[in-house]
Amino acid sequence: NAGVTQTPKFQVLKTGQSMTLQCAQDMNHEYMSWYRQDPGMGLRLIHYSVGAGITDQGEVPNGYNVSRSTTEDFPLRLLSAAPSQTSVYFCASAGLAGGDTGELFFGEGSRLTVL
Amino acid sequence: AQSVTQPDIHITVSEGASLELRCNYSYGATPYLFWYVQSPGQGLQLLLKYFSGDTLVQGIKGFEAEFKRSQSSFNLRKPSVHWSDAAEYFCAVGAGDSSASKIIFGSGTRLSIRP
Repeated sequence: NAGVTQTPKFQVLKTGQSMTLQCAQDMNHEYMSWYRQDPGMGLRLIHYSVGAGITDQGEVPNGYNVSRSTTEDFPLRLLSAAPSQTSVYFCASAGLAGGDTGELFFGEGSRLTVL
Repeated sequence: AQSVTQPDIHITVSEGASLELRCNYSYGATPYLFWYVQSPGQGLQLLLKYFSGDTLVQGIKGFEAEFKRSQSSFNLRKPSVHWSDAAEYFCAVGAGDSSASKIIFGSGTRLSIRP
């Protein structure tokens, strides 16, 4: 069981470049989300989705786009990378159906450096 | 909008001593509350959660937490810490119609264990 899979694990970008962080889960979870983790700031929610075709903004959405065309995939797009987006990014999913606990299942993280 | 405060950035305790990590939340209705642990270089693992019912919840690895509505707190406790408990601990609060909707994390408390 793969769980939540994030790619790539490491990426270096130049300012102004664009890229997409991929996230896929095989647990049939309705809820998917993206967080960024910076030292001393914990995890901050970027965007989240409660089902295919539904997305919403979190705490720090600026500079990021998401889409949810399928239940399994939730890519995060950086349109024009900035040094302030240097961070570790985590994708997480959870079940919303009756009996699910709301526990978030995390990917291994993607370390992004913007020069 | 909900928010979470973890007032202690770094705590050091001796092995075998008791532990209490503080967490205060802000949310207008009954929150869903979580504690996660992150070991160095790893993803996050759920320790315990509170949705409703008994305000004292038991988790994995001997941890427990108590929900106190009057104090807007959800402090994490362990009677006797082990060296393997050294990690970063995150409190999180969920809101909305589902327990997994828009989960917001605190900034974390780093726990060090003194031999």
